[in-house]
Amino acid sequence: AQTVTQSQPEMSVQEAETVTLSCTYDTSESDYYLFWYKQPPSRQMILVIRQEAYKQQNATENRFSVNFQKAAKSFSLKISDSQLGDAAMYFCAYRSSILTGGGNKLTFGTGTQLKVEL
Amino acid sequence: NAGVMQNPRHLVRRRGQEARLRCSPMKGHSHVYWYRQLPEEGLKFMVYLQKENIIDESGMPKERFSAEFPKEGPSILRIQQVVRGDSAAYFCASSPPTRYTEAFFGQGTRLTVV
Repeated sequence: AQTVTQSQPEMSVQEAETVTLSCTYDTSESDYYLFWYKQPPSRQMILVIRQEAYKQQNATENRFSVNFQKAAKSFSLKISDSQLGDAAMYFCAYRSSILTGGGNKLTFGTGTQLKVEL
Repeated sequence: NAGVMQNPRHLVRRRGQEARLRCSPMKGHSHVYWYRQLPEEGLKFMVYLQKENIIDESGMPKERFSAEFPKEGPSILRIQQVVRGDSAAYFCASSPPTRYTEAFFGQGTRLTVV
């Protein structure tokens, strides 16, 4: 079974600064997907960014980028130019290849609470 | 195109009562997933359903919990004889039957057992 570990329960960043959230995972599969989700106080789960394991290039979405190290099984999220609206719980998640028959079943980490300070 | 709709948003039940949580997937989505989020924890997978079929229920507690996704109507997560430990946020996600799309989440139902 796959596991996802987020070792930082809380992180703080100053507005306009850069912060990196860590995530490691364990799997014996070679084809999979990794995600970062944001959960603000409203509880809505919002997809931030997605990475396909077969792609060597790191995914980017505006101010959000990842550092995907497949051999090290590491998948960190970098938020640049942090804004007050970035304050939320961030979850790292793993999904097996569709070919395994698991569909979009996700395995989540325990989350990192990000605080953005003025 | 409406998102994934869950209702109710908040549900309070006394110990021993039944809780029924509903999830209407996005239009065109035939795959539904239920997750549970205990306080201060991440989401834990419970069950994966397609129309009229349970595909994977490896995360469902063996007793008191059941799920269905009928041909017509929403998916239902049913918890019988609720206990205080069932208090949590329950999330539903849906996806279409294509290979490379991600699942979209509803806003969750907060169940409180008193």
